[in-house]
Amino acid sequence: GAVVSQHPSWVICKSGTSVKIECRSLDFQATTMFWYRQFPKQSLMLMATSNEGSKATYEQGVEKDKFLINHASLTLSTLTVTSAHPEDSSFYICSAPPGFGGLDEQFFGPGTRLTVL
Amino acid sequence: GENVEQHPSTLSVQEGDSAVIKCTYSDSASNYFPWYKQELGKRPQLIIDIRSNVGEKKDQRIAVTLNKTAKHFSLHITETQPEDSAVYFCAAMGNQGGKLIFGQGTELSVKP
Repeated sequence: GAVVSQHPSWVICKSGTSVKIECRSLDFQATTMFWYRQFPKQSLMLMATSNEGSKATYEQGVEKDKFLINHASLTLSTLTVTSAHPEDSSFYICSAPPGFGGLDEQFFGPGTRLTVL
Repeated sequence: GENVEQHPSTLSVQEGDSAVIKCTYSDSASNYFPWYKQELGKRPQLIIDIRSNVGEKKDQRIAVTLNKTAKHFSLHITETQPEDSAVYFCAAMGNQGGKLIFGQGTELSVKP
């Protein structure tokens, strides 16, 4: 099956710093990737759609200048949390549809646990 | 946009009993409905899915039913086992480029 990886798996940073999270499709090309955020004991909330070679599409209420998304290649999307604050501490998960087999199925990365001190 | 409501938020059953989780969606254009199992700190794991041209799908102890008219779908787990204990999420996908909208989640506890 399709494999999606994320790096790092966890990160701790100081308030005010920026953190970059990578999402890679290892055995398929993904023109589209999705970024989700999950707070403890809550659901996955879609943050944005990452589009290869073009601007990301953000969901309502998500600050595009705070959560910078770059999808520079068909296998890599990055999410940068700029000027992170404790309220940004969360579990960030990416997903990608491989586009073969079941066209709808999405494959999720293992997630990145961000803790902002 | 799409909105997905999921009930109950917590469910406790005895081992061997059945568990049912229900979801409703708002966008009649949604056409793909997956169910995920998520263990603490892990990624969601697809356990079963159904597309809008099908009313029911079964895979061993797990089944999903879909009522397009009423815009609701349900997950049925029979002969529950302690290892079924986890958080379960339903989701809906419309025709907006593959975006998945998740329900609030159900924490299932199967007591031995």
